[in-house]
Amino acid sequence: GDSVTQMEGPVTLSEEAFLTINCTYTATGYPSLFWYVQYPGEGLQLLLKATKADDKGSNKGFEATYRKETTSFHLEKGSVQVSDSAVYFCALSETGGGADGLTFGKGTHLIIQP
Amino acid sequence: DAGVIQSPRHEVTEMGQEVTLRCKPISGHNSLFWYRQTMMRGLELLIYFNNNVPIDDSGMPEDRFSAKMPNASFSTLKIQPSEPRDSAVYFCASSFLAAKLAAEQYFGPGTRLTVT
Repeated sequence: GDSVTQMEGPVTLSEEAFLTINCTYTATGYPSLFWYVQYPGEGLQLLLKATKADDKGSNKGFEATYRKETTSFHLEKGSVQVSDSAVYFCALSETGGGADGLTFGKGTHLIIQP
Repeated sequence: DAGVIQSPRHEVTEMGQEVTLRCKPISGHNSLFWYRQTMMRGLELLIYFNNNVPIDDSGMPEDRFSAKMPNASFSTLKIQPSEPRDSAVYFCASSFLAAKLAAEQYFGPGTRLTVT
């Protein structure tokens, strides 16, 4: 079946540091890929998405590129802020995320220190 | 828009009791999803509906779990009888399915269930 693997946390960085959260996936078909963010006490919010190989999703300074050859979708940000502290989930959907449920990674807890 | 609404936000119950979680999706959305989040297993899809019809309930852990969607604006997830291992945060999400595109799922704030 489909699966998503992402780096375990917590990841602790100083403000303005460069961020990378690794994500790799296993899928039988050609999935769409997503990054969701969860702030304390809240539900998940879509951060960015990509639907085909070499697509780059971007939002709020975060970026991730769909790499089919390495089955990866790593999340990056050039300069993190304290407000970026949250749990980040990588996810995939075989049929696009609207018609079918999402398969999530375990989540990476990001802590940004001033 | 009020977003996806879930109630209650917190539920504490004793083992063996019936628990009903409620969800109101975003108006106009035609797909609804129930997820469970635990430390051990992360986020798991339990069941999803398209146009009020259950499409895939293979994620429902046991017969003690059941879900209904009587109309486009309301869904319930029921656990009967509840057990301590059902303790988790349960999320409802909705989306608008047009042509199997990468549609965004909008999540509710979740219901934190504790079974003692």
